[in-house]
Amino acid sequence: TQLLEQSPQFLSIQEGENLTVYCNSSSVFSSLQWYRQEPGEGPVLLVTVVTGGEVKKLKRLTFQFGDARKDSSLHITAAQPGDTGLYLCAGERASGTYKYIFGTGTRLKVLA
Amino acid sequence: NAGVMQNPRHLVRRRGQEARLRCSPMKGHSHVYWYRQLPEEGLKFMVYLQKENIIDESGMPKERFSAEFPKEGPSILRIQQVVRGDSAAYFCASSPARVEETQYFGPGTRLLVL
Repeated sequence: TQLLEQSPQFLSIQEGENLTVYCNSSSVFSSLQWYRQEPGEGPVLLVTVVTGGEVKKLKRLTFQFGDARKDSSLHITAAQPGDTGLYLCAGERASGTYKYIFGTGTRLKVLA
Repeated sequence: NAGVMQNPRHLVRRRGQEARLRCSPMKGHSHVYWYRQLPEEGLKFMVYLQKENIIDESGMPKERFSAEFPKEGPSILRIQQVVRGDSAAYFCASSPARVEETQYFGPGTRLLVL
């Protein structure tokens, strides 16, 4: 059973465009993380959101945790080729359980 | 500070052989987690270890797979009698403590079973 659905699965855009990727679940999570993974490497943590409705900004990236803590979005403004990668969300079902459930990812390609 | 190190980065095995994957956590980290990533899929939790203890192995297949994290040396994920379905990228992550700590991932070992 896939608890975290990410959409879209694939996204190819031109440099300078904006985009939003989504992470949805029917389950409630105590926290949710977003990672970026480049080919041949491990995931690198971008942000952790904990509170329902929380918004965090990281330069051109804006992360939002849904009010009910079941979903999250990642918005990238003015995408650059360096943003290319696999974006993974991971939810923690209960605080301190350490077992993060990962989504299948959104594979983003930004064309120069 | 060196990050999480995994070796080998690539491993090719024939069916029936054994695969040993090593993970050296970041300095000062005593918690290690192993994940498996199949092509076009997200990471799936396999096992969580502290030094000399397996805390949770609920994500690890009961047969052929084992993991250890000795007092000295790296954590080892061992797969005996590998089958083609074991081909995947295996990642380990480490953290300094269990609760509410960021997990730092290594670069992974890509296992190919012929």
